[in-house]
Amino acid sequence: NAGVTQTPKFRILKIGQSMTLQCTQDMNHNYMYWYRQDPGMGLKLIYYSVGAGITDKGEVPNGYNVSRSTTEDFPLRLELAAPSQTSVYFCASSSGQGLTYEQYFGPGTRLTVT
Amino acid sequence: GQQVMQIPQYQHVQEGEDFTTYCNSSTTLSNIQWYKQRPGGHPVFLIQLVKSGEVKKQKRLTFQFGEAKKNSSLHITATQTTDVGTYFCAGRNSGYSTLTFGKGTMLLVSP
Repeated sequence: NAGVTQTPKFRILKIGQSMTLQCTQDMNHNYMYWYRQDPGMGLKLIYYSVGAGITDKGEVPNGYNVSRSTTEDFPLRLELAAPSQTSVYFCASSSGQGLTYEQYFGPGTRLTVT
Repeated sequence: GQQVMQIPQYQHVQEGEDFTTYCNSSTTLSNIQWYKQRPGGHPVFLIQLVKSGEVKKQKRLTFQFGEAKKNSSLHITATQTTDVGTYFCAGRNSGYSTLTFGKGTMLLVSP
């Protein structure tokens, strides 16, 4: 089991460029999440999905888009990158079974927009 | 919306000293989870508390969930340098599939 994998690990974007952050999990989890982490600010939820074909906005969705065509993949799209999107991005998944919503995190993507 | 506040933001201790971080929610929680993030790493799940007044232990770590299910604490006894990292609490409301994370407490342990 690789768990949750994310690519790329690092990326530098110019203002106005677009990119897709990839996230894949091999645990057959229904629930997947995208967070951004800024220094000293904890984790803020961008988008989440409770299953293939279903996505919903989190706390900070502006400037981002997601899709969930398969159980395994949950890519995050940045359109027209802005310096405010400089952050570390974490993808996470959980089974959502019973009372346990333990989240498994990927290694993160460190994004700089200049 | 729901807010989860965590204090202190930062604590520096000498190895062997105890450490406690506190978490308070603006709403009653269904459950609370704790995560640890090592420097440069990703958050890793430590534990989940569900019942009012629940206390759980993992070796030197003690986790508590308040009676009103609005606050929680993590206490580390006799810290070690391997305890270095940021500890996050994350609360979930009933009926929701998402967590609200606190800003975390960064722990630095000097040998």
